[in-house]
Amino acid sequence: DIVMTQSPDSLAVSLGERATINCKSSQSVLYSSNNMNYLAWYQQKPGQPPKLLIYWASTRESGVPDRFSGSGSGTDFTLTISSLQAEDVAVYYCHQYYSTPSTFGQGTKLEI
Amino acid sequence: QVQLVQSGAEVKKPGASVKVSCKASGYIFNSYYLHWVRQAPGQGLEWMGIINPSGGSTTYAQKLQGRLTMTRDTSASTFYMELSRLSSEDTAVYYCARASYWNNYLMDVWGQGTTVTVSS
Repeated sequence: DIVMTQSPDSLAVSLGERATINCKSSQSVLYSSNNMNYLAWYQQKPGQPPKLLIYWASTRESGVPDRFSGSGSGTDFTLTISSLQAEDVAVYYCHQYYSTPSTFGQGTKLEI
Repeated sequence: QVQLVQSGAEVKKPGASVKVSCKASGYIFNSYYLHWVRQAPGQGLEWMGIINPSGGSTTYAQKLQGRLTMTRDTSASTFYMELSRLSSEDTAVYYCARASYWNNYLMDVWGQGTTVTVSS
């Protein structure tokens, strides 16, 4: 199984500041035949299901604000929130869909 | 709009089974695979398995093989997840999630979740 490890486990950022969350996979999730990274990011607020933010490592889901961006390739990935808003307080998960079983990081709790 | 609506909370005794439903609407039922993912209290997300609505073929997480059954009723646009021989470790919120157009293992729309509590 591919192990996804996020850092940090929790993060406190001031309103308007940048937040950066890292995710490392135990093996590459880059598919060489199409040069796509099978890596997604989800946001989960208390009492709600996860919400898809980013897929293919850097493609924003429709309706996701452009302050959210994803980067990285192979085994190292980053989710960046450029200017933190109050509504961004949540737990963020990375997710690999390169191989079965699909696996998630342990989550990063983002606070203000 | 695309929606997945799950059945209500369940309380079960150890050793019992639970069956959770997930009704899909707003899209062509047979065109998108469906996942089940669970989340124990205060914990992260655990993928359980996937079902192809067209034909019903399934793939389960190895640790749940033998206890997990995923089915669908195409006439009712509803998916089901049944977990048997429950223990306290199965206490969790269970989510259904639709596979994305882009990839069968990427999940784009999630149900609201069903809390399953296993307690004697």
